[in-house]
Amino acid sequence: GQNIDQPTEMTATEGAIVQINCTYQTSGFNGLFWYQQHAGEAPTFLSYNVLDGLEEKGRFSSFLSRSKGYSYLLLKELQMKDSASYLCAVRGNDMRFGAGTRLTVKP
Amino acid sequence: EPEVTQTPSHQVTQMGQEVILRCVPISNHLYFYWYRQILGQKVEFLVSFYNNEISEKSEIFDDQFSVERPDGSNFTLKIRSTKLEDSAMYFCASSEARDNEQFFGPGTRLTVL
Repeated sequence: GQNIDQPTEMTATEGAIVQINCTYQTSGFNGLFWYQQHAGEAPTFLSYNVLDGLEEKGRFSSFLSRSKGYSYLLLKELQMKDSASYLCAVRGNDMRFGAGTRLTVKP
Repeated sequence: EPEVTQTPSHQVTQMGQEVILRCVPISNHLYFYWYRQILGQKVEFLVSFYNNEISEKSEIFDDQFSVERPDGSNFTLKIRSTKLEDSAMYFCASSEARDNEQFFGPGTRLTVL
């Protein structure tokens, strides 16, 4: 079956670092995406991994291990505006999204 | 910066009625998608469209749904006979290539009464 798992909620402090994990089992694999979604808005693209390893993009980094079916999104120097849901999505035969991790950044 | 646009932003309809949701993908993109998100739930893939035909569809995309690219810019989702459970946010997305990042439109909130 196809499954994408990520924690439901996380809380972190402004200025800190947070890691959001995602594990997946899908039919086929053509890349893993992380999206940010603020309440009532559309998802916006953050990062993409297709090969194992770390991709860095400013305050955001994403890691992939295909053999373990595992990825994480790392957010550094957290800001209040980073409070949002973070969606892990896997491109297999189609595009499947996880349920999202709601991150709350506190002062 | 180019963006995906969707109209209307909110559509209210009676159960059993047909609705058409419209999208204008980013102009040089070749792959188009529809997703839905029921309030408080995850984003669910409906269908992908490439070269004027459906390339993939999910189990949700049954006979009541259809997609069309009626001209060079619009991409539409038709729901033939709406049900209460079709109430959701419907997002259109587009990408340059099949496995590239997808850019989402702002969504159409469909309310079926």
